[in-house]
Amino acid sequence: AQRVTQPEKLLSVFKGAPVELKCNYSYSGSPELFWYVQYSRQRLQLLLRHISRESIKGFTADLNKGETSFHLKKPFAQEEDSAMYYCALISGGYNKLIFGAGTRLAVHP
Amino acid sequence: DTGVSQDPRHKITKRGQNVTFRCDPISEHNRLYWYRQTLGQGPEFLTYFQNEAQLEKSRLLSDRFSAERPKGSFSTLEIQRTEQGDSAMYLCASRKEGETQYFGPGTRLLVL
Repeated sequence: AQRVTQPEKLLSVFKGAPVELKCNYSYSGSPELFWYVQYSRQRLQLLLRHISRESIKGFTADLNKGETSFHLKKPFAQEEDSAMYYCALISGGYNKLIFGAGTRLAVHP
Repeated sequence: DTGVSQDPRHKITKRGQNVTFRCDPISEHNRLYWYRQTLGQGPEFLTYFQNEAQLEKSRLLSDRFSAERPKGSFSTLEIQRTEQGDSAMYLCASRKEGETQYFGPGTRLLVL
């Protein structure tokens, strides 16, 4: 079955500390993976996708097919990074998204 | 056009009542998705439209749920005989071919 697992419900760090939000997936074939972010009182929005191999707001994520992981990393967390982060993969011919349960990142001053 | 819009943003209803939600996608987006998000979970896929055709429905979409997109533009999601378990955030997303999905703000439903 296709599944996305985010093992941490909450990740709490201090400003300037490194951040790693974990994401593991189960998928047969070549997955297309995403990180979405939801800031307080805002809608869900795309943060980055693995095929772009880009860095957005200092965040990067590398697809590791051997470990079936797509962890989100940032070397120095900022208070404005506090939000809910969802890992997701595309499933099926109609590109529906399968989401993990999400991790709340809290960055303290 | 400022993005995907949904109406209403909040709905409180009594068990057994019918409710209908509306989604207006970004104007040039011919693909539209409905998701449901319960507390502590990520969004779960409900159904997909390409233009006016409903091409995929999740097993989550029981007989009490029906979705339409009559002219290939806005879409409605109706829940008949609501149950407390239907309480959730209902999200709509749209996209055009080759692009990623853009999400609306959601409709939060509370069934008393």
